[in-house]
Amino acid sequence: DAKTTQPPSMDCAEGRAANLPCNHSTISGNEYVYWYRQIHSQGPQYIIHGLKNNETNEMASLIITEDRKSSTLILPHATLRDTAVYYCIVRENTDKLIFGTGTRLQVFP
Amino acid sequence: DTGVSQNPRHKITKRGQNVTFRCDPISEHNRLYWYRQTLGQGPEFLTYFQNEAQLEKSRLLSDRFSAERPKGSFSTLEIQRTEQGDSAMYLCASSLASVNYGYTFGSGTRLTVV
Repeated sequence: DAKTTQPPSMDCAEGRAANLPCNHSTISGNEYVYWYRQIHSQGPQYIIHGLKNNETNEMASLIITEDRKSSTLILPHATLRDTAVYYCIVRENTDKLIFGTGTRLQVFP
Repeated sequence: DTGVSQNPRHKITKRGQNVTFRCDPISEHNRLYWYRQTLGQGPEFLTYFQNEAQLEKSRLLSDRFSAERPKGSFSTLEIQRTEQGDSAMYLCASSLASVNYGYTFGSGTRLTVV
């Protein structure tokens, strides 16, 4: 079973920051937080991952709370092409990824 | 390398027929995963390989399902005696065997059993 809780859906205006929350209150010390997204009819796409520190790449930023029980994925300037289902996953060692139902983000003009 | 390739993209089959899907991973990746996804759900893990060894199979994987990765490169997923409940998107992903490395997914094979 997925170890994360995400809101089922969110809206965001184009050009604004999209902040997607994720709760992982039972996360253990050696589990990483991964984010993927899935655009309709495509395979999931890796976005970013982190262990303790905040991370940033060309796609997004990942903010992990100090107690690591929750995290937020930030898309700084959302575009219509960011409309997708976003999955937050915790992963231990080299275990397989277990997906939940994710957050459906709708970016509107 | 153009990423993970899956063939065919779409397959329509009659109930009771056998089907086989192929996945070509990124060449330097030693891990290969199969997932299944139905409408409105996240991908469900089916099985994975490290090189040619099948290391784990989900309890979702009935005896009608079999997967191989004969030379540690491409993989095939076969479903025998298909049922309507097998209709889904079948996704393949590859990765290095490292927790600090993400998966690369293919575009999937959409199976429709009529």
